[in-house]
Amino acid sequence: ILNVEQSPQSLHVQEGDSTNFTCSFPSSNFYALHWYRWETAKSPEALFVMTLNGDEKKKGRISATLNTKEGYSYLYIKGSQPEDSATYLCALNSGNTPLVFGKGTRLSVIA
Amino acid sequence: EPEVTQTPSHQVTQMGQEVILRCVPISNHLYFYWYRQILGQKVEFLVSFYNNEISEKSEIFDDQFSVERPDGSNFTLKIRSTKLEDSAMYFCAIHGWHSGNEKLFFGSGTQLSVL
Repeated sequence: ILNVEQSPQSLHVQEGDSTNFTCSFPSSNFYALHWYRWETAKSPEALFVMTLNGDEKKKGRISATLNTKEGYSYLYIKGSQPEDSATYLCALNSGNTPLVFGKGTRLSVIA
Repeated sequence: EPEVTQTPSHQVTQMGQEVILRCVPISNHLYFYWYRQILGQKVEFLVSFYNNEISEKSEIFDDQFSVERPDGSNFTLKIRSTKLEDSAMYFCAIHGWHSGNEKLFFGSGTQLSVL
């Protein structure tokens, strides 16, 4: 059974602080890693899909890196804003299998 | 970007009752998924459905669960006899492409509460 771990489980930061969190996954049978952002009362929204070792993706103040050899991905948020408050989900795609999600990191940005 | 609508947004039911959760993609899709998240736990895969057939299902998706595409557009998840532990947020998702990447696009979810 594939296991995707995210840490920390929750995080509180001050507005303007930069932050990062981790997604760990089995490095064997890797196909793609997804990051989703899930705001309360909304549907999860796709942020990034990464497939290659060393991939770096950026969307505004949010960026992500991928290390498939050691099985981890980092999500970075630069200059956190209250609207960044959400749960950030990581999901592993191992090819012809459904996405396996981590538990998520709940981020709260305090103004 | 594909859009997915789910109804109802909230469903409260008594234990043992049947519930039907609905998913309507805006554009034609062949590949659908149902996921759920029990409060405080991971998002869990339930079932995938391709071209009017179940392509994969998890251990959670037992005989009490079924999926259908009754009219070629709506995609439904039925729970025949709900249990307390079925209380969760249920998400429908479809495959789509955005910015050159294949992604899942989720509906806004149905919060199911079994009393």
